[in-house]
Formats: sequence, C-alpha cells, structure tokens
Amino acid sequence: SQTIHQWPATLVQPVGSPLSLECTVEGTSNPNLYWYRQAAGRGLQLLFYSVGIGQISSEVPQNLSASRPQDRQFILSSKKLLLSDSGFYLCAWSVKGQGEAEAFFGQGTRLTVV
Amino acid sequence: RKEVEQDPGPFNVPEGATVAFNCTYSNSASQSFFWYRQDCRKEPKLLMSVYSSGNEDGRFTAQLNRASQYISLLIRDSKLSDSATYLCAVANTGGFKTIFGAGTRLFVKA
Repeated sequence: SQTIHQWPATLVQPVGSPLSLECTVEGTSNPNLYWYRQAAGRGLQLLFYSVGIGQISSEVPQNLSASRPQDRQFILSSKKLLLSDSGFYLCAWSVKGQGEAEAFFGQGTRLTVV
Repeated sequence: RKEVEQDPGPFNVPEGATVAFNCTYSNSASQSFFWYRQDCRKEPKLLMSVYSSGNEDGRFTAQLNRASQYISLLIRDSKLSDSATYLCAVANTGGFKTIFGAGTRLFVKA
C-alpha cells in the first residue's frame, strides 16, 4: 500500500532562518506531488505541484521554493523565513492519468515562525 | 474570483439533523471532484469522490451539477462525530493541480 511521510511534525523557527521540509512517498511511482499551506482557520493554499523529477510549478509568489530531486521525494525550502510563513504545511500525492485522482496527505508540519 | 468557493459556516446543527453544503468552482474544464473531511489540527482525509450521476455512501450523498458548476454534500442523521471541517476539491484531468475550497465547519450538538 501507498504511504506518505512528512517531517518534522512541529517546527519553531526564528525569523530569517532557513527552512527545509521533506516529504517522501512509498508504494507508488511517478506520482503528482503537492505542497499546500493552511493558515490558522483558513483553507488549503496550493503552493507548488510537481508532475515529475525536476518539474516544479509555483502557484503563488513567495519566499519559498520546492524541489523534487527524486521521483518520490518533494522538498519545501526557504532561505529566510518570514512571520507570515507560519502555518500548517501539507504534502500530498495523487496518481497520474486516471479519471479519479484524489490527493492523499501526509500528517503535516506545523510551522511557527517567531 | 476564487477557483473553488465554499460557505465557511459554521453550521451548528443538533444530532439527527440533515445538513447540506455547497461548493462552486470556476473552471468549467474541471474533471474530478471530491469532498474531504478535516479534523482539528489534522490532515484532510478523503470522504468521497463526486460522480456525475451522484453517489451515496451511508449517510452521505454527493452530487455534481456541471451546468451550474457546483458540487454538494448532504449529511443525514448527523452524529456528534461528524463535527469537522468539510473541504471540497476540484482537479483537472489526471488529478493534476488539485484546488481546495476554504472549508465549511460543522458542529453537531447533543
């Protein structure tokens, strides 16, 4: 069966510090991968999605970046965090090429920038 | 205009009540539709997919209206455990770029 791992679960970082969140998927190959952010009491905002290794599409301008160095690895990074980067970050994957393609989520990383 | 819009609620209903949520989407080329449930401080989990012909899973019924570009979720005989945020999601062919609504909060009271 497919599983998705995301870590760390909780993170407190000072303003201006770098960020690296990692997500890996097991049990499937060539998935679509996503990074979402959810601010407190808000919906899911799509940040990045990837349809393959090295292919990253950004949905919103920000000081975050994403990379996909391997087929089932998706990394979210920042060189300098802002207070506004606080939120609940969720990695997700979906199967390509099917009529139904629901997204499956990792357990999320709760980031607080102080 | 947001790509996917939902009434944020909250909906406060007594146990046993029937409650319905709607969600509108702007991209007429959207192909796949879903309802997710999100508990407080947890990741969203798929509740059900939404098919063109409508579908039912126990107390939950989902419907799609392509002409008016909305999907709906009906919950019958509400339980306390149904209290959560319900997110609708819309994706284009192959699940590429899944967009979520902001969610509708439901509180079921004893």
